[in-house]
Amino acid sequence: AQSVTQPDIHITVSEGASLELRCNYSYGATPYLFWYVQSPGQGLQLLLKYFSGDTLVQGIKGFEAEFKRSQSSFNLRKPSVHWSDAAEYFCAVVDSGGSNYKLTFGKGTLLTVNP
Amino acid sequence: GAGVSQSPRYKVAKRGQDVALRCDPISGHVSLFWYQQALGQGPEFLTYFQNEAQLDKSGLPSDRFFAERPEGSVSTLKIQRTQQEDSAVYLCASSTDRGSSPLHFGNGTRLTVT
Repeated sequence: AQSVTQPDIHITVSEGASLELRCNYSYGATPYLFWYVQSPGQGLQLLLKYFSGDTLVQGIKGFEAEFKRSQSSFNLRKPSVHWSDAAEYFCAVVDSGGSNYKLTFGKGTLLTVNP
Repeated sequence: GAGVSQSPRYKVAKRGQDVALRCDPISGHVSLFWYQQALGQGPEFLTYFQNEAQLDKSGLPSDRFFAERPEGSVSTLKIQRTQQEDSAVYLCASSTDRGSSPLHFGNGTRLTVT
């Protein structure tokens, strides 16, 4: 079964600093990969996705992520964090084959931004 | 409406009560999903509809959980004889298609079973 690991439960950065959130997946083939963000009391919003092609994908709010097949990773990055980026971030995968509708999420990384 | 709407926003139930959670997807969205998010965890898949057909209910934790989407739009997730372990946020999401289409999530219903 596919699984997603987000090794960092909680990360604190200063406003303006760079950010990298880690995500590793376990899956036999190349899945579809996603990053979602969840603000308190809100649903999840899609930041970006990777299906195929260029391994560096750009998303909304200045985020990007890089797919590295050799490391089974899909880390999320942002060069300069804003206070409004404080939220919980979830990496997710979908089977690119038959069951390509069922998202498997990691446990999330809570981002705190210090002024 | 503009997004996925879920009601109620909060629900407190005594153990053993039945509850019904409603989801209004984005108009025209074919696919509808229910996810369960326990405190401090990522969402976990419960069930998937394509129009009115429930194509996958493999994630429903027990036979106390039942979901329907009779006319292919609004969906209801029903939990019978609630237990404390059912306490979670229940998220509904819809999309135009499966797989490659992005999911649009509602804000969820927070269920607390006392």
